[in-house]
Amino acid sequence: LAKTTQPISMDSYEGQEVNITCSHNNIATNDYITWYQQFPSQGPRFIIQGYKTKVTNEVASLFIPADRKSSTLSLPRVSLSDTAVYYCLVGEFRGGGADGLTFGKGTHLIIQP
Amino acid sequence: EPEVTQTPSHQVTQMGQEVILRCVPISNHLYFYWYRQILGQKVEFLVSFYNNEISEKSEIFDDQFSVERPDGSNFTLKIRSTKLEDSAMYFCASRKPGQGETQYFGPGTRLLVL
Repeated sequence: LAKTTQPISMDSYEGQEVNITCSHNNIATNDYITWYQQFPSQGPRFIIQGYKTKVTNEVASLFIPADRKSSTLSLPRVSLSDTAVYYCLVGEFRGGGADGLTFGKGTHLIIQP
Repeated sequence: EPEVTQTPSHQVTQMGQEVILRCVPISNHLYFYWYRQILGQKVEFLVSFYNNEISEKSEIFDDQFSVERPDGSNFTLKIRSTKLEDSAMYFCASRKPGQGETQYFGPGTRLLVL
């Protein structure tokens, strides 16, 4: 899996849009970009995955520039319940050998009232 | 929406005892995983399993650990002789075959070794 760099923590307020950027300069051609969310004492939860350009689902949007060396997770109108750790992972996710996920420390997002 | 389930949610054991953690992956998934997270630390990969055999294992997954898929639905992690440092949350995950498919995690089992 490609090495990723993301901020250790971020603060925001309810109703705001939050953007978390992840750098992955060594991303390979076959690599996907995946974001997970983790609440305390719970398992990581898949949020969104993309390969290039923009992906949007009911939870978030993922923006990937043409060079794919970074990506930005965008959470629209956050609420207190979005307080969690957010992980950016980059890899082929192809199954079989060598596909255990490597989690970094993630970004601890704190939403205040 | 299908989910990965794990039992028990909490387990307390004495050092040196054997524990078995159970997982029911999502039914059409073929790849299975165990991870652990020591309190306040990162989620760490332990082992992946496919076609009734281990695909990959980390350095953490030493001889005291074993995995098994005893039937068509359960996936278990056995710790033969628990140590104090095995205290952690243990997460099971599963995924469908195919490139780009993501892993879905269970709620975890909190293991406390006394």
